[in-house]
Amino acid sequence: SAVISQKPSRDICQRGTSLTIQCQVDSQVTMMFWYRQQPGQSLTLIATANQGSEATYESGFVIDKFPISRPNLTFSTLTVSNMSPEDSSIYLCSVEVPETDGYGYTFGSGTRLTVV
Amino acid sequence: GQNIDQPTEMTATEGAIVQINCTYQTSGFNGLFWYQQHAGEAPTFLSYNVLDGLEEKGRFSSFLSRSKGYSYLLLKELQMKDSASYLCAVTFREAGTALIFGKGTTLSVSS
Repeated sequence: SAVISQKPSRDICQRGTSLTIQCQVDSQVTMMFWYRQQPGQSLTLIATANQGSEATYESGFVIDKFPISRPNLTFSTLTVSNMSPEDSSIYLCSVEVPETDGYGYTFGSGTRLTVV
Repeated sequence: GQNIDQPTEMTATEGAIVQINCTYQTSGFNGLFWYQQHAGEAPTFLSYNVLDGLEEKGRFSSFLSRSKGYSYLLLKELQMKDSASYLCAVTFREAGTALIFGKGTTLSVSS
């Protein structure tokens, strides 16, 4: 299965600034997904990033706040723009990978963001 | 709709068996996944069900009934290290291939 390198692993940022999170996959994948996990909660899908086209955002998430790049089949970035304390969360990227009995999804190790 | 429901918390003792249920809206259903997530770590894949029935993998089994919009994860011979959050996630046709997660069940295993 694929291995994802996600960085930074954590950061503390000032409100009003932006942070770009990177995910590098060790194999080519069609779709990459970005999730947010707020403290004590489950994962919420932010957007789906398909190489060569604009990302598809879920309800409640907009491109101006969470711009995504997908320049090739192994790399994607998510930017959290104009941050406020409410953006403090763990952000994870994910890709779909084949498994022995079907398919599954691998996750990056996450970026723990604290906005002060 | 994609409402995915599972209990918030469960407790059990070492050596016991626990069943974590998950229900979802059946419209557009593609497949169902279970993930385990320890605090501070990324989710790890446990199982995948696309057809009705039981899938067994060692101490963990997962069941699916597509007509009822129902799944469960069965954990046998519980160990302390099984204390974690268990996430039920579904792929729906209208959401492409993205995983949509339930709110997760926090399982606490005591000795």
